[in-house]
Amino acid sequence: EAGVAQSPRYKIIEKRQSVAFWCNPISGHATLYWYQQILGQGPKLLIQFQNNGVVDDSQLPKDRFSAERLKGVDSTLKIQPAKLEDSAVYLCASSSKLGVNEKLFFGSGTQLSVL
Amino acid sequence: DQQVKQNSPSLSVQEGRISILNCDYTNSMFDYFLWYKKYPAEGPTFLISISSIKDKNEDGRFTVFLNKSAKHLSLHIVPSQPGDSAVYFCAATATNTGANSKLTFGKGITLSVRP
Repeated sequence: EAGVAQSPRYKIIEKRQSVAFWCNPISGHATLYWYQQILGQGPKLLIQFQNNGVVDDSQLPKDRFSAERLKGVDSTLKIQPAKLEDSAVYLCASSSKLGVNEKLFFGSGTQLSVL
Repeated sequence: DQQVKQNSPSLSVQEGRISILNCDYTNSMFDYFLWYKKYPAEGPTFLISISSIKDKNEDGRFTVFLNKSAKHLSLHIVPSQPGDSAVYFCAATATNTGANSKLTFGKGITLSVRP
């Protein structure tokens, strides 16, 4: 079974530029998550989708971050414009259904450096 | 406000000995706890979980103990192996807040198992 795929693996941009990350969850997984992990911290949930609908985006900085999951499969996370403090690893995860009793399967992440 | 605390950033143990990784939480609504393991350049992978109705859960070499009165849990690895060297994240959630209750992660503990 293929895992959660993310691209790119690394991205370096200058502040005020835009960047986008892509995620393809495990086939059949209805729930998709984007997490931000700043160096030395644990992952922090940015947004959670159930199929193509947003379940929770309370911690997403909506003035600069946006995410979509068209057709309820793969998803993109965009930052526009980026700030220095956005430097982090962006992790995508999926689970077969809603509910944290369901195991999350994480991708390898995209490491973003904002200069 | 850190609701899940992993106060020791690192732990080093000898191969074959016991590793004990500690985690404390402050939110009394948390009733489900998980441990994730993360190797460098990979996403976290689920290791073991425990519900608040139990005080112990065992899976092979891994055992998680929960002390609700102290708001403390610990992960025991016996015997420790060099392949266990990784970052371990403690995570918690309040499942009775709804199906979309989200995970709160600690900062992680880096475990090094010396051959």
